[in-house]
Amino acid sequence: NAGVTQTPKFQVLKTGQSMTLQCAQDMNHEYMSWYRQDPGMGLRLIHYSVGAGITDQGEVPNGYNVSRSTTEDFPLRLLSAAPSQTSVYFCASRTGPLGNEKLFFGSGTQLSVL
Amino acid sequence: RKEVEQDPGPFNVPEGATVAFNCTYSNSASQSFFWYRQDCRKEPKLLMSVYSSGNEDGRFTAQLNRASQYISLLIRDSKLSDSATYLCVVNGFWHGQKLVFGTGTRLLVSP
Repeated sequence: NAGVTQTPKFQVLKTGQSMTLQCAQDMNHEYMSWYRQDPGMGLRLIHYSVGAGITDQGEVPNGYNVSRSTTEDFPLRLLSAAPSQTSVYFCASRTGPLGNEKLFFGSGTQLSVL
Repeated sequence: RKEVEQDPGPFNVPEGATVAFNCTYSNSASQSFFWYRQDCRKEPKLLMSVYSSGNEDGRFTAQLNRASQYISLLIRDSKLSDSATYLCVVNGFWHGQKLVFGTGTRLLVSP
């Protein structure tokens, strides 16, 4: 099993450009999520999904869209990139929303918006 | 007050030392607690869950104090490979069961 596969690893955008960060998992996890990590701050939840066709906003959803058409894939779209979106992004999945299930992370995307 | 607070460190310790980190959380309704490890420029990985009675995994011991709303991580006989950032994570039911991450405590183990 590959686990959680996240692409690209690095990306540089100009302000106003759009792009999609890809995330796929092969563990049949229902719960998937996107986080951003900034210096001096904990990982912050952007959007999450509890199953195919179901998504919801997290703590910092503005400027991002998600969709969940399949159990495996959970892409994150930046609609019009802004310098404030410069960050490291992590996709994660786990078996369910409750309890002590282990959270599996992708390897991260370092995004710079100029 | 932050929902989950950690001392950012860094904690500089020699090999073989014992080191402890604390993490405080603000919501007494929190149900689940974890320690994650994050190496530089890598993704976080689960180190251990924290159970009410405390739990141990080799050189690592995790404790939960609900009355004072903190969890702790004790590392005995530190190894160079323990150098990393340790993230305190709380499952916040007040957030619809989403995980809330602390900013992390950085540990540097030197020869």
